[in-house]
Amino acid sequence: GAVVSQHPSRVICKSGTSVKIECRSLDFQATTMFWYRQFPKQSLMLMATSNEGSKATYEQGVEKDKFLINHASLTLSTLTVTSAHPEDSSFYICSATTLLGTSGRADTQYFGPGTRLTVL
Amino acid sequence: AQKVTQAQTEISVVEKEDVTLDCVYETRDTTYYLFWYKQPPSGELVFLIRRNSFDEQNEISGRYSWNFQKSTSSFNFTITASQVVDSAVYFCALSDTQYNFNKFYFGSGTKLNVKP
Repeated sequence: GAVVSQHPSRVICKSGTSVKIECRSLDFQATTMFWYRQFPKQSLMLMATSNEGSKATYEQGVEKDKFLINHASLTLSTLTVTSAHPEDSSFYICSATTLLGTSGRADTQYFGPGTRLTVL
Repeated sequence: AQKVTQAQTEISVVEKEDVTLDCVYETRDTTYYLFWYKQPPSGELVFLIRRNSFDEQNEISGRYSWNFQKSTSSFNFTITASQVVDSAVYFCALSDTQYNFNKFYFGSGTKLNVKP
């Protein structure tokens, strides 16, 4: 259980184009999804937190107009990198979590396999 | 403020050796969760364990064991009789009541190289 998928796994695009990455929870309903960015040999950097049906909460320093997040359902969140540039090249990882009963507390985060974006 | 420190950047061992990965955390909360994740070269983070702050009992799962010491704010991870397949980057993480456990604070990771 608790499987999260991402699509695509790899994408290469030209500078100036937009790229959409999908994150799906396959066997559970995710109340919250998270988007991380990871540079080579570094830790994960949280970009934003999204709850189904509401606007995403972005971390300080992350451009919300650059990284558009849509959490349309309890099983799908999308990240769109708009007008991508070479400095946006990175490994993007999503995760999903559920709530522990009615406690309102988040459960464990389960991670997708990541999407490697290369902008030429 | 919340912080997770993994002081060991990279460790190399020979197969069958035991290895311990250190994790030290900071939080003002009395209620929190600690996690370990494995990130193999493929990139996908694999959940290994979650431990809540009220459960200091050490846990063993096969070759893996975890030592949680609140007195030293540490949550160390030991792999016994390491294997080449254990080669990966291992991340320790913390979540607490701020943001209702929704935000994870990750350490910088420890890269483990297990040589045959």
